[in-house]
Amino acid sequence: GAVVSQHPSWVICKSGTSVKIECRSLDFQATTMFWYRQFPKQSLMLMATSNEGSKATYEQGVEKDKFLINHASLTLSTLTVTSAHPEDSSFYICSATRDISLEAFFGQGTRLTVV
Amino acid sequence: DAKTTQPPSMDCAEGRAANLPCNHSTISGNEYVYWYRQIHSQGPQYIIHGLKNNETNEMASLIITEDRKSSTLILPHATLRDTAVYYCIVSGASSYNQGGKLIFGQGTELSVKP
Repeated sequence: GAVVSQHPSWVICKSGTSVKIECRSLDFQATTMFWYRQFPKQSLMLMATSNEGSKATYEQGVEKDKFLINHASLTLSTLTVTSAHPEDSSFYICSATRDISLEAFFGQGTRLTVV
Repeated sequence: DAKTTQPPSMDCAEGRAANLPCNHSTISGNEYVYWYRQIHSQGPQYIIHGLKNNETNEMASLIITEDRKSSTLILPHATLRDTAVYYCIVSGASSYNQGGKLIFGQGTELSVKP
Protein backbone atom coordinates (compact mmCIF):
# COMPACT_ATOMS: atom_id res chain seq x y z
CA GLY A 1 0.00 0.00 0.00
CA ALA A 2 0.88 3.65 -0.30
CA VAL A 3 2.94 5.25 2.45
CA VAL A 4 2.42 8.57 4.18
CA SER A 5 5.09 9.69 6.59
CA GLN A 6 4.98 12.38 9.23
CA HIS A 7 7.87 14.12 10.90
CA PRO A 8 8.53 14.47 13.74
CA SER A 9 6.75 11.64 15.54
CA TRP A 10 6.75 13.66 18.71
CA VAL A 11 7.82 17.14 19.73
CA ILE A 12 7.93 19.14 22.95
CA CYS A 13 8.00 22.89 22.65
CA LYS A 14 7.77 25.90 24.91
CA SER A 15 4.63 27.96 25.09
CA GLY A 16 4.71 30.81 22.60
CA THR A 17 6.95 29.11 20.05
CA SER A 18 5.95 27.69 16.67
CA VAL A 19 6.18 24.09 15.57
CA LYS A 20 6.21 22.71 12.04
CA ILE A 21 4.94 19.23 11.22
CA GLU A 22 5.67 17.65 7.86
CA CYS A 23 3.51 15.17 5.98
CA ARG A 24 4.98 13.38 2.99
CA SER A 25 3.54 10.92 0.51
CA LEU A 26 6.50 8.67 -0.15
CA ASP A 27 5.48 6.71 -3.21
CA PHE A 28 2.68 8.64 -4.80
CA GLN A 29 1.65 12.17 -5.62
CA ALA A 30 -1.08 13.72 -3.54
CA THR A 31 -2.78 16.85 -4.79
CA THR A 32 -4.90 16.82 -1.65
CA MET A 33 -3.91 16.07 1.90
CA PHE A 34 -5.91 16.32 5.10
CA TRP A 35 -4.97 17.33 8.63
CA TYR A 36 -6.66 15.98 11.74
CA ARG A 37 -6.27 16.56 15.45
CA GLN A 38 -7.02 14.06 18.19
CA PHE A 39 -7.22 14.79 21.91
CA PRO A 40 -6.81 11.97 24.44
CA LYS A 41 -9.75 9.58 24.61
CA GLN A 42 -11.43 11.39 21.73
CA SER A 43 -11.95 10.76 18.04
CA LEU A 44 -10.15 12.41 15.15
CA MET A 45 -11.32 15.86 14.20
CA LEU A 46 -10.78 17.12 10.66
CA MET A 47 -8.96 20.45 10.77
CA ALA A 48 -8.35 21.33 7.14
CA THR A 49 -7.96 20.19 3.57
CA SER A 50 -4.58 20.98 2.08
CA ASN A 51 -4.56 21.63 -1.66
CA GLU A 52 -1.34 21.64 -3.67
CA GLY A 53 -0.64 25.07 -5.07
CA SER A 54 -3.59 26.79 -3.43
CA LYS A 55 -4.90 27.85 -0.07
CA ALA A 56 -6.04 25.31 2.44
CA THR A 57 -9.70 24.93 3.30
CA TYR A 58 -10.29 25.03 7.05
CA GLU A 59 -13.14 23.43 8.94
CA GLN A 60 -15.42 25.60 11.00
CA GLY A 61 -13.85 26.66 14.26
CA VAL A 62 -10.25 26.06 13.19
CA GLU A 63 -8.14 29.22 13.24
CA LYS A 64 -6.34 29.54 9.93
CA ASP A 65 -3.86 32.07 11.30
CA LYS A 66 -2.88 29.73 14.10
CA PHE A 67 -2.63 26.56 12.07
CA LEU A 68 -0.73 27.48 8.92
CA ILE A 69 -0.86 24.91 6.14
CA ASN A 70 1.43 24.89 3.14
CA HIS A 71 1.22 22.36 0.32
CA ALA A 72 4.13 23.40 -1.84
CA SER A 73 4.62 20.17 -3.77
CA LEU A 74 2.70 17.07 -4.74
CA THR A 75 4.38 15.07 -2.00
CA LEU A 76 4.65 17.47 0.92
CA SER A 77 2.23 19.35 3.13
CA THR A 78 3.26 21.15 6.31
CA LEU A 79 1.25 22.22 9.33
CA THR A 80 2.72 24.98 11.48
CA VAL A 81 1.22 25.55 14.89
CA THR A 82 2.02 29.17 15.62
CA SER A 83 2.38 30.63 19.10
CA ALA A 84 1.65 27.27 20.61
CA HIS A 85 -0.05 27.03 23.98
CA PRO A 86 -0.62 24.06 26.29
CA GLU A 87 -4.17 23.65 24.98
CA ASP A 88 -2.67 22.94 21.53
CA SER A 89 -1.07 19.80 22.92
CA SER A 90 -2.58 17.00 20.88
CA PHE A 91 -1.99 14.21 18.39
CA TYR A 92 -1.83 15.63 14.86
CA ILE A 93 -2.41 13.26 11.95
CA CYS A 94 -2.29 13.79 8.20
CA SER A 95 -3.71 11.72 5.37
CA ALA A 96 -3.63 11.63 1.61
CA THR A 97 -5.48 9.93 -1.20
CA ARG A 98 -4.21 8.73 -4.56
CA ASP A 99 -6.00 9.57 -7.75
CA ILE A 100 -6.89 5.97 -8.44
CA SER A 101 -8.27 5.10 -5.04
CA LEU A 102 -10.93 6.22 -2.61
CA GLU A 103 -8.82 4.89 0.23
CA ALA A 104 -7.09 7.37 2.52
CA PHE A 105 -3.55 6.70 3.73
CA PHE A 106 -2.66 8.10 7.12
CA GLY A 107 0.62 9.15 8.60
CA GLN A 108 1.74 7.74 11.92
CA GLY A 109 0.85 10.95 13.70
CA THR A 110 2.79 13.62 15.58
CA ARG A 111 2.35 14.03 19.32
CA LEU A 112 2.77 17.68 20.25
CA THR A 113 3.30 18.66 23.86
CA VAL A 114 3.45 22.35 24.70
CA VAL A 115 4.98 23.18 28.08
CA ASP B 1 -21.49 15.70 13.12
CA ALA B 2 -20.78 12.09 12.31
CA LYS B 3 -23.48 10.36 10.32
CA THR B 4 -22.99 6.97 11.90
CA THR B 5 -23.82 5.26 15.19
CA GLN B 6 -21.67 2.48 16.63
CA PRO B 7 -21.60 0.69 19.98
CA PRO B 8 -18.83 2.19 22.12
CA SER B 9 -17.17 -1.11 22.91
CA MET B 10 -17.19 -4.82 22.13
CA ASP B 11 -15.28 -7.89 23.22
CA CYS B 12 -14.33 -10.83 21.06
CA ALA B 13 -12.55 -14.08 21.78
CA GLU B 14 -9.35 -14.71 19.89
CA GLY B 15 -9.95 -16.86 16.82
CA ARG B 16 -13.64 -16.08 16.67
CA ALA B 17 -15.36 -13.80 14.21
CA ALA B 18 -15.82 -10.20 15.27
CA ASN B 19 -18.99 -8.58 13.95
CA LEU B 20 -19.03 -4.81 14.31
CA PRO B 21 -22.35 -3.09 13.55
CA CYS B 22 -22.91 0.42 12.25
CA ASN B 23 -26.07 2.41 11.68
CA HIS B 24 -26.12 5.07 8.97
CA SER B 25 -29.82 5.69 8.42
CA THR B 26 -29.32 9.09 6.73
CA ILE B 27 -26.86 7.88 4.12
CA SER B 28 -27.27 9.44 0.67
CA GLY B 29 -27.31 7.55 -2.59
CA ASN B 30 -23.81 8.60 -3.60
CA GLU B 31 -22.16 8.06 -0.22
CA TYR B 32 -19.82 5.18 0.46
CA VAL B 33 -19.43 3.31 3.73
CA TYR B 34 -15.82 3.21 4.89
CA TRP B 35 -14.23 1.32 7.76
CA TYR B 36 -10.95 2.34 9.34
CA ARG B 37 -9.29 1.22 12.53
CA GLN B 38 -6.85 2.93 14.86
CA ILE B 39 -4.48 1.04 17.05
CA HIS B 40 -3.44 3.00 20.10
CA SER B 41 -1.24 6.02 19.34
CA GLN B 42 -1.02 5.29 15.62
CA GLY B 43 -2.63 6.78 12.54
CA PRO B 44 -5.82 5.14 11.29
CA GLN B 45 -5.61 2.23 8.87
CA TYR B 46 -7.99 1.66 5.99
CA ILE B 47 -9.90 -1.63 6.14
CA ILE B 48 -12.58 -1.68 3.48
CA HIS B 49 -15.28 0.36 1.79
CA GLY B 50 -18.47 -0.27 -0.17
CA LEU B 51 -21.38 1.42 -1.85
CA LYS B 52 -24.22 -1.09 -1.87
CA ASN B 53 -22.78 -4.52 -2.59
CA ASN B 54 -21.09 -6.66 -0.01
CA GLU B 55 -17.31 -6.47 -0.18
CA THR B 56 -14.49 -8.72 0.94
CA ASN B 57 -10.74 -8.27 1.03
CA GLU B 58 -7.84 -9.88 2.83
CA MET B 59 -8.64 -8.05 6.05
CA ALA B 60 -12.40 -8.18 6.41
CA SER B 61 -15.85 -8.44 4.92
CA LEU B 62 -18.38 -5.65 4.71
CA ILE B 63 -22.06 -6.49 4.70
CA ILE B 64 -24.40 -3.62 3.74
CA THR B 65 -28.14 -4.02 4.16
CA GLU B 66 -30.34 -3.69 1.11
CA ASP B 67 -31.73 -0.34 2.28
CA ARG B 68 -28.13 0.79 3.01
CA LYS B 69 -29.15 2.08 6.43
CA SER B 70 -26.76 -0.17 8.29
CA SER B 71 -23.71 -2.31 7.77
CA THR B 72 -21.55 -4.86 9.57
CA LEU B 73 -17.81 -5.26 9.45
CA ILE B 74 -16.70 -8.83 9.91
CA LEU B 75 -13.21 -9.85 10.98
CA PRO B 76 -13.42 -13.59 10.32
CA HIS B 77 -10.75 -14.79 12.75
CA ALA B 78 -9.89 -12.07 15.23
CA THR B 79 -6.39 -11.96 16.70
CA LEU B 80 -4.98 -9.99 19.60
CA ARG B 81 -3.49 -7.57 17.08
CA ASP B 82 -7.00 -6.65 15.93
CA THR B 83 -7.59 -4.86 19.24
CA ALA B 84 -8.27 -1.28 18.15
CA VAL B 85 -10.92 1.40 17.74
CA TYR B 86 -12.96 0.74 14.60
CA TYR B 87 -14.55 3.65 12.80
CA CYS B 88 -17.48 3.40 10.41
CA ILE B 89 -17.68 6.49 8.21
CA VAL B 90 -19.96 7.54 5.38
CA SER B 91 -18.53 9.89 2.84
CA GLY B 92 -19.44 11.22 -0.57
CA ALA B 93 -17.03 10.30 -3.33
CA SER B 94 -17.88 12.50 -6.27
CA SER B 95 -14.15 12.76 -6.80
CA TYR B 96 -11.16 10.96 -5.41
CA ASN B 97 -10.59 13.82 -3.03
CA GLN B 98 -13.79 13.08 -1.17
CA GLY B 99 -12.52 9.69 -0.17
CA GLY B 100 -10.02 11.42 2.06
CA LYS B 101 -12.31 13.94 3.72
CA LEU B 102 -13.51 11.84 6.61
CA ILE B 103 -15.70 12.83 9.53
CA PHE B 104 -14.93 10.43 12.36
CA GLY B 105 -17.47 9.44 14.99
CA GLN B 106 -16.58 7.85 18.31
CA GLY B 107 -16.07 4.38 16.86
CA THR B 108 -16.19 1.01 18.56
CA GLU B 109 -13.37 -0.07 20.83
CA LEU B 110 -12.85 -3.74 20.06
CA SER B 111 -10.98 -5.81 22.62
CA VAL B 112 -9.85 -9.23 21.45
CA LYS B 113 -9.20 -11.46 24.42
CA PRO B 114 -7.19 -14.69 24.62
